[in-house]
Amino acid sequence: DTGVSQDPRHKITKRGQNVTFRCDPISEHNRLYWYRQTLGQGPEFLTYFQNEAQLEKSRLLSDRFSAERPKGSFSTLEIQRTEQGDSAMYLCASSRRGGVNTEAFFGQGTRLTVV
Amino acid sequence: KQEVTQIPAALSVPEGENLVLNCSFTDSAIYNLQWFRQDPGKGLTSLLLIQSSQREQTSGRLNASLDKSSGRSTLYIAASQPGDSATYLCAVPPWNQGGKLIFGQGTELSVKP
Repeated sequence: DTGVSQDPRHKITKRGQNVTFRCDPISEHNRLYWYRQTLGQGPEFLTYFQNEAQLEKSRLLSDRFSAERPKGSFSTLEIQRTEQGDSAMYLCASSRRGGVNTEAFFGQGTRLTVV
Repeated sequence: KQEVTQIPAALSVPEGENLVLNCSFTDSAIYNLQWFRQDPGKGLTSLLLIQSSQREQTSGRLNASLDKSSGRSTLYIAASQPGDSATYLCAVPPWNQGGKLIFGQGTELSVKP
C-alpha cells in the first residue's frame, strides 16, 4: 500500500494552455475524489467516482474541467484554456465505499500556477 | 446545506502547552468526522476519524471528541511540540452525498520552542 499518489507535484503553465493531472488511488479503494484548495481555505469538493462512474460534479467544475477514471483505477483531471483563477492546489483522495467507518486518504496534491 | 466552521483561524502557543482546536457543523446528519493535518504546500494527513455514534477517539497525544447533537467537535493536543506546527482541518461527510467531505477553513497552529 503506497498511499494516494499524484503527478505532477507542481505545474506552471501559461494562461490559455491545457493541463492534465493524474491521481493513483489506494488500490482497493473504489471511490476517488478531486478537491481544489486555495490559499488559506479548506479544500472544496469538485467531483467523485465510484469505480469508473462519475457520480457527482460540483458547480465549481466549469465546462473547461473534465475528469475521467477509465478503468476504475487511476484518474485524470484536465483543465482546458487555463485562467489565472485556476491557480490552486488540486487534491485527490480515495476511500472504500461509504459508511460510518469510511476514512478518506489524500495525496500530496498538485500545485498549479497559471501565469 | 452543511457548513463547517473552525475557530480560531490561527493559534500560537509555547512548547509544552495543552491546547484545544474547535470545529462546528450545522447539520448533524453525518457519517463521521475526520481531523486532518496539513503541512505547508503538502497534502492532507488523516489524524483521527470519529464515527457518528462515538463520543471520543484517541491517538497518542491527540484526543478528538464529537457532540453530534450540538454540532461540535474538539481536537485536544497534549504537551504540544514545535513539530505539531501545521494547519489542522476538520471535515464531515453528509448523509447520502457519496462520501464527499465538507471542510472547515482550518486552524493554523504555531508551537514556539
